[in-house]
Amino acid sequence: EAGVAQSPRYKIIEKRQSVAFWCNPISGHATLYWYQQILGQGPKLLIQFQNNGVVDDSQLPKDRFSAERLKGVDSTLKIQPAKLEDSAVYLCASSRGGEGTEAFFGQGTRLTVV
Amino acid sequence: TQLLEQSPQFLSIQEGENLTVYCNSSSVFSSLQWYRQEPGEGPVLLVTVVTGGEVKKLKRLTFQFGDARKDSSLHITAAQPGDTGLYLCAANNFNKFYFGSGTKLNVKP
Repeated sequence: EAGVAQSPRYKIIEKRQSVAFWCNPISGHATLYWYQQILGQGPKLLIQFQNNGVVDDSQLPKDRFSAERLKGVDSTLKIQPAKLEDSAVYLCASSRGGEGTEAFFGQGTRLTVV
Repeated sequence: TQLLEQSPQFLSIQEGENLTVYCNSSSVFSSLQWYRQEPGEGPVLLVTVVTGGEVKKLKRLTFQFGDARKDSSLHITAAQPGDTGLYLCAANNFNKFYFGSGTKLNVKP
């Protein structure tokens, strides 16, 4: 089966600009996650969707970050305006859900804010 | 505060050496997972441990879940350069995956 697809792979923007990332999860996976991974650290959950509804966005900086999952499939994560500290890899993951289930990750988008 | 603490943060060893990575928490989990992440890629699942005291083996990798289901360890025997990567433990609570801080392993030939 096809894996989780993300684009773009790399993005360089200036601070205060906006940027958007796209994710296409594995077909049939109801749960979709966006993680932020700062260099050398573990991924930090930003937002979790179940189908097209938000389950948890408690760690999402809502003054600048937004995310949506259209029709319960693809998802976009947007940052506006970007700050220097937003430089990180943004990982999208999906899972079938349930105890002991596995999270499947995309390759991520490496964002550099200059 | 980090839900899962991993140690050590960094490990640089010679090919053929053994090593152990630890994942600790003050919380009890129904299961713990270990993922490996290579540069430029997303994490990939290695194993899920569910039962307290459980030991699972994956070739040269041995995973153990603590009796109290609060901690886990990963032991690699005779490490090889191909084992190089970032090792992450993760807890799955209510369908959310919480990751540890990671252990960056470098195995030198």
